[in-house]
Amino acid sequence: ETGVTQSPTHLIKTRGQQVTLRCSSQSGHNTVSWYQQALGQGPQFIFQYYREEENGRGNFPPRFSGLQFPNYSSELNVNALELDDSALYLCASSLGQGNYNEQFFGPGTRLTVL
Amino acid sequence: GIQVEQSPPDLILQEGANSTLRCNFSDSVNNLQWFHQNPWGQLINLFYIPSGTKQNGRLSATTVATERYSLLYISSSQTTDSGVYFCAVGSTSGTYKYIFGTGTRLKVLA
Repeated sequence: ETGVTQSPTHLIKTRGQQVTLRCSSQSGHNTVSWYQQALGQGPQFIFQYYREEENGRGNFPPRFSGLQFPNYSSELNVNALELDDSALYLCASSLGQGNYNEQFFGPGTRLTVL
Repeated sequence: GIQVEQSPPDLILQEGANSTLRCNFSDSVNNLQWFHQNPWGQLINLFYIPSGTKQNGRLSATTVATERYSLLYISSSQTTDSGVYFCAVGSTSGTYKYIFGTGTRLKVLA
C-alpha cells in the first residue's frame, strides 16, 4: 500500500508569484483535502476534492484553487502569493466524501514567500 | 463555528512518566482523530475515535461524544513521544470542514 506523497518538499517564491503543489493520494482513496499550517499553529482546512470537484471549503480566498485528476491525485494552486502564505502545506487522503472518514497525511510542502 | 481546545498547551515529562491530554469541542462532530506531529512536520495517525475507547500499545484514547471531549493517555513515556499532539474533528456544519485543536506540545526528558 502506497502512502500519501507530496511534491516538492520545499519551495521558495517571491511575493506576487504563483505556485502549484502536488499530492498523490493513498492507494484506494478517492478524496483529497488540503491544509495550511502556519508556524506554531494547527493545520487550517483549505478545501476538499471528491470525484474531481471541490466538496467543501474553509475560509480561504479564491486565489487558493485546486484540481483533482481521474487517478485521484490533486494540485493546490496559489496565485498572487503574499508573505503570509509562507507555511507548511499538507494534503490528506481519505475514502469517501465528507468528514466522516479517517484521514492520512502526506509529509507536506514547506513554502517560503520572500 | 465549532471550537476545539486542547489542554495542557505544554507538557514536560521525565521518561517513564504517564500523561493525559484532553480535547474539548463545542458542538457535535462526525469524526475525531488524534495525531502526533513529529519535528519534520509529518502528522502521524494515532487514533480514529469518534466515540468509545481504543488502545494501541502504550497509547490509549477515549471519546465521550455526548459530553464533547476526548482524552489521549500516554503511559511509560519515551523521548520519541516528544512533539505536538493534535486532535481534529469533523464539523457537522455543511462544509465538510475538519477543525484541528490548538495542540499540546510534549517534551519527554531522558
